[in-house]
Amino acid sequence: GQQLNQSPQSMFIQEGEDVSMNCTSSSIFNTWLWYKQDPGEGPVLLIALYKAGELTSNGRLTAQFGITRKDSFLNISASIPSDVGIYFCAGLTFFFNKFYFGSGTKLNVKP
Amino acid sequence: GAGVSQSPSNKVTEKGKDVELRCDPISGHTALYWYRQSLGQGLEFLIYFQGNSAPDKSGLPSDRFSAERTGGSVSTLTIQRTQQEDSAVYLCASSLELGRVGNTIYFGEGSWLTVV
Repeated sequence: GQQLNQSPQSMFIQEGEDVSMNCTSSSIFNTWLWYKQDPGEGPVLLIALYKAGELTSNGRLTAQFGITRKDSFLNISASIPSDVGIYFCAGLTFFFNKFYFGSGTKLNVKP
Repeated sequence: GAGVSQSPSNKVTEKGKDVELRCDPISGHTALYWYRQSLGQGLEFLIYFQGNSAPDKSGLPSDRFSAERTGGSVSTLTIQRTQQEDSAVYLCASSLELGRVGNTIYFGEGSWLTVV
């Protein structure tokens, strides 16, 4: 099946630092989604991207839909302790008519 | 409803018993998904319903797992003869029908299952 390669698997950063994570695939996707999952809760949608090259911000978060349609990145600026959690990317391909998920990036922020 | 609703939120059951987990999707969403997530792990696809089409059951790990969706809305995931390795959080999600531009998948809070 299709694979979304998400990296890094985990990050340990200092409060105030910027963070970057990405997802790549060998296949083209029509939609890229980014989620955050806090401990004990379900994933919550952060940003949705629908067009190649699209750059979208949500507060301190910025995500881009790669121009090749095979990748996406999520940046978090000036991290704070409440950014701790697991971040998942998801891609939707019309060809396979299915959502695929990355394996997650676990973010730890040290105050 | 306003969001995807799952029940129970927590369930502790004895090994060998059957459990039923319920999901109520967002109103108007025709696609419904079940995923399983073990502690600290990623999302494991279980089953997907789209309208009146036959469900995609390709992710169900064994014949002890089954799911149904009645009336195109509420879904029930049933695990028969539970085993300890079934302990995980079971996440339900819903979306508009696949193939629509601008689609997004929304998750419930999950049902946390512990088999003792």
